[in-house]
Amino acid sequence: AQTVTQSQPEMSVQEAETVTLSCTYDTSESNYYLFWYKQPPSRQMILVIRQEAYKQQNATENRFSVNFQKAAKSFSLKISDSQLGDTAMYFCAFLNYGGSQGNLIFGKGTKLSVKP
Amino acid sequence: EAQVTQNPRYLITVTGKKLTVTCSQNMNHEYMSWYRQDPGLGLRQIYYSMNVEVTDKGDVPEGYKVSRKEKRNFPLILESPSPNQTSLYFCASSPRTLAGAFKQFFGPGTRLTVL
Repeated sequence: AQTVTQSQPEMSVQEAETVTLSCTYDTSESNYYLFWYKQPPSRQMILVIRQEAYKQQNATENRFSVNFQKAAKSFSLKISDSQLGDTAMYFCAFLNYGGSQGNLIFGKGTKLSVKP
Repeated sequence: EAQVTQNPRYLITVTGKKLTVTCSQNMNHEYMSWYRQDPGLGLRQIYYSMNVEVTDKGDVPEGYKVSRKEKRNFPLILESPSPNQTSLYFCASSPRTLAGAFKQFFGPGTRLTVL
């Protein structure tokens, strides 16, 4: 069974600095997607970034980028130039694109606080 | 406006009283899914649907039912709710095209309390 582990329950960063959130996963599948979702205090779930496992190039979305290490099964999120609006829970998620297609597994989340 | 809607947003009920939480999307998405969120546990998938009349269990399906009779709707049914189903529930949808695959849009959430 696939598992997703976020080892940092809470983190904080100063405004304008860079922070990296960690995520590791365990799977025997070769075709899958990885995601980072953001959940601000409003509780709305927002997709931040997506990575296809077959792509070696790391995904980027403006100030958000990932470091995808397939062999190490690691998928960290880097937030550059942190802003107060980045304060939120961040969830890493795994989705198998093979047999159990559609079964999305989330980590337990990292609570990020951006301080002024 | 493209969106996923859930109703009700808040519900307090009693043990054993059947309830349905509705979910509707206006983006013609094939994939829809239900999650529950509990403190310290993150989100856990209850059921998902790859298309009309196609549903499958997620990680925590016990005590829940779903149906997908039409593309836009994916209701979550609790036949006999129990207090351990008190949670925050999210519905989500996404396209299955290669470009848009599984970029999920989430509904606003339904806060359910079972007494």
